[in-house]
Amino acid sequence: DIVMTQTPLSSPVTLGQPASISCRSSQSLVHSDGNAYLSWLQQRPGQPPRLLIYKISNRFSGVPDRFSGSGAGTDFTLKISRVEAEDVGVYSCMQATQFPHTFGQGTKLEIK
Amino acid sequence: QVQLVESGGGVVQPGRSLRLSCAASGFIFRNYGMHWVRQAPGKGLEWVAVVSNDGNSKFYGDAVKGRFTISRDNSKNTLYLQMNSLRTEDSAVYHCAKDGGGAVAGGVDVWGQGTTVTVSS
Repeated sequence: DIVMTQTPLSSPVTLGQPASISCRSSQSLVHSDGNAYLSWLQQRPGQPPRLLIYKISNRFSGVPDRFSGSGAGTDFTLKISRVEAEDVGVYSCMQATQFPHTFGQGTKLEIK
Repeated sequence: QVQLVESGGGVVQPGRSLRLSCAASGFIFRNYGMHWVRQAPGKGLEWVAVVSNDGNSKFYGDAVKGRFTISRDNSKNTLYLQMNSLRTEDSAVYHCAKDGGGAVAGGVDVWGQGTTVTVSS
């Protein structure tokens, strides 16, 4: 199984400042079709997860442009350009290149 | 609007069975793969299973393989998860989720609120 490792596990950020979360996979996420099926999800307190980014860098419909994804192979990053109060929650990466799909442990974003 | 509503959770003794359901609406259910994802209290997300749009392909997480069965009824727009030989470590909120498919392949783009399963004697 592919192991997904996120860092940091907790990220205190000042409002208006940037935030960055890293996700590393134990093997390449490049599928035989050439795509890398790495997505990022946000889970606000008391809410189900919400898709933010798919295929490394594609913002899902309705996601603010302050969220961006990048990376390749085994190393991926989610960046928030300017953190807002509504961004508080847990962020998880997920790989869907190989079965079983697997998630990172989650990174808790909180406001300083 | 696009909606997924889970039901069937509850308290069950170890070794017993439970069947979860997920009613889908607002999209063409038969066109999309569907997932179950769970979250134990205070823990991260754990992928449980997926079924293809036609129900013919199914894949499972290691922790549930051989005990859980995912299925769907496209005539009823409903997804199921049959859980047998339940263990205390299966206690979690179980979310039904829609695969993005097509251009959003690999993304799970719609999530239900979840139904809580507690396995305890």
